[in-house]
Amino acid sequence: GQNIDQPTEMTATEGAIVQINCTYQTSGFNGLFWYQQHAGEAPTFLSYNVLDGLEEKGRFSSFLSRSKGYSYLLLKELQMKDSASYLCANMDSNYQLIWGAGTKLIIKP
Amino acid sequence: ETGVTQTPRHLVMGMTNKKSLKCEQHLGHNAMYWYKQSAKKPLELMFVYNFKEQTENNSVPSRFSPECPNSSHLFLHLHTLQPEDSALYLCASSQLDGFANTGELFFGEGSRLTVL
Repeated sequence: GQNIDQPTEMTATEGAIVQINCTYQTSGFNGLFWYQQHAGEAPTFLSYNVLDGLEEKGRFSSFLSRSKGYSYLLLKELQMKDSASYLCANMDSNYQLIWGAGTKLIIKP
Repeated sequence: ETGVTQTPRHLVMGMTNKKSLKCEQHLGHNAMYWYKQSAKKPLELMFVYNFKEQTENNSVPSRFSPECPNSSHLFLHLHTLQPEDSALYLCASSQLDGFANTGELFFGEGSRLTVL
């Protein structure tokens, strides 16, 4: 079967660093994606990994290990506006996205 | 503003009503999608249209009927829905790489549907 696992909820402090993990088991692999969704808003694309390693984009970085079926999203210098849900998705062999249920990140002052 | 507009934003309907959700994308993309988002559940892909042709129907009940008259517009026609169909319905678009989905989707803000 196809499965994406990520924590339901995490809490972090403003200015700190947080790592959101995602593990996946899907039929085929064509990339690992992270999306951000603020409450009541549309999900927006954050990052894409297809090769192993770390991709850095400003305060956000995403890591992939294909052999372990594992990715994480790293958020540095957390700001209150980073409070949102973070969705992990894997693109399967049919080029369709298989989604996790999302991690709700709560940032406290 | 993502370039994908959905109307209405909120809809309450009875189980015997017929209504439609509308999606319009202003990005020149050639693929459009309907997703269902329920609380604490993964996004569920319902329908995919590539170049206006339906390519995916993920075992969606026939009470949901999609329509894609052109590459910029997508509708979801609803009839005789059940209370468990209450959810956020998200429309998305993307630009295909050849015939392949690149994975970078642009979502609308969704239509919040409540079925009484």
